[in-house]
Amino acid sequence: SQQGEEDPQALSIQEGENATMNCSYKTSINNLQWYRQNSGRGLVHLILIRSNEREKHSGRLRVTLDTSKKSSSLLITASRAADTASYFCATAPAGGAQKLVFGQGTRLTINP
Amino acid sequence: DAGITQSPRHKVTETGTPVTLRCHQTENHRYMYWYRQDPGHGLRLIHYSYGVKDTDKGEVSDGYSVSRSKTEDFLLTLESATSSQTSVYFCANGQGYTTGELFFGEGSRLTVL
Repeated sequence: SQQGEEDPQALSIQEGENATMNCSYKTSINNLQWYRQNSGRGLVHLILIRSNEREKHSGRLRVTLDTSKKSSSLLITASRAADTASYFCATAPAGGAQKLVFGQGTRLTINP
Repeated sequence: DAGITQSPRHKVTETGTPVTLRCHQTENHRYMYWYRQDPGHGLRLIHYSYGVKDTDKGEVSDGYSVSRSKTEDFLLTLESATSSQTSVYFCANGQGYTTGELFFGEGSRLTVL
């Protein structure tokens, strides 16, 4: 079964607005990662946050992690039409299993 | 760019036929993965490899086998394809989770009629 559950499943906003996506997971993790997928393409890694980190930034991306609530959020600021894509969270389980478990993704549409 | 190449990119086959998808990496990454992507299910891990001849099952491994005879190639085989295996298959590689990120190929779209 999926480790990560993402919310919302779909999000549509106007260009320039901020987009927030949430991810919840079930078991202890080593790290949590966010990926982006453009239609018909492979996934591209965006950012990784480790279990002992609470917040991380990369350009217009801000990721938070709350291990007590087993949840993470991805904020994209000042959205652009080119940000239209599906976004997936993925968790690396604690305990050394070298595999990522993906959520079902959030489909983000940026309207010009 | 981690240099993952998947082949074929598109394939249509009939139920009961064997199918092999190939994943080739140009790096020397230790870990390689096969995922399938289906609407409503996100990506689900089929099998992964942690070295030459070292593989392990993922959450949806039934009906699939893999082989890794050399570092750069990871093959996914459907011994007898079924319609439920119609999907988009993604290969990925990575160095491991202490470093973290995976690099994905462009996907192989398989249709089983």
